[in-house]
Amino acid sequence: KAGVTQTPRYLIKTRGQQVTLSCSPISGHRSVSWYQQTPGQGLQFLFEYFSETQRNKGNFPGRFSGRQFSNSRSEMNVSTLELGDSALYLCASSLVSRVYGYTFGSGTRLTVV
Amino acid sequence: GQQVMQIPQYQHVQEGEDFTTYCNSSTTLSNIQWYKQRPGGHPVFLIQLVKSGEVKKQKRLTFQFGEAKKNSSLHITATQTTDVGTYFCAAYNNNDMRFGAGTRLTVKP
Repeated sequence: KAGVTQTPRYLIKTRGQQVTLSCSPISGHRSVSWYQQTPGQGLQFLFEYFSETQRNKGNFPGRFSGRQFSNSRSEMNVSTLELGDSALYLCASSLVSRVYGYTFGSGTRLTVV
Repeated sequence: GQQVMQIPQYQHVQEGEDFTTYCNSSTTLSNIQWYKQRPGGHPVFLIQLVKSGEVKKQKRLTFQFGEAKKNSSLHITATQTTDVGTYFCAAYNNNDMRFGAGTRLTVKP
């Protein structure tokens, strides 16, 4: 079966712009979570959605937001981009994360210039 | 809140040597998961531990959950170049989950 699909794979944006990243989970998975990965900070949890509801949120500013649609696809948005937002953004889906773990997508590499 | 520390941050070994990474939590965990991320890749789920003192093996990998459920380890016997990557723990305290910072393993052939 298809894995977790993230689009686009690479993105270059200018400081001050906004960006939307997309994630299609594995079919049947209703839990989707987002992470920011940088060399210095490791994997940082952004938020988790389940059945269109945000269940958990990490310690990121309000410029980072997300949503989940009825088909479990998810988007995350970052407004007013800053240079420090350059990172690999990973999406992960799960049937029940506490039991089966997460399946990660290949990520979107965002570069802010 | 929950603090998760993973050590060491880096480990460089000669092929054939053993490797261990440790994950320590400030709170008692409900369960813990381990992931591997190859260079340029994304994290891949390896295993989950739930019970106090649990030990699980996957070929050359041995995973342990401490008796107090506050720490865990991943041990690789006789490392191979294919073991290269970053190993992360994901520590669960009921619904709160934190990833460790990861241990980056490099293997010299």
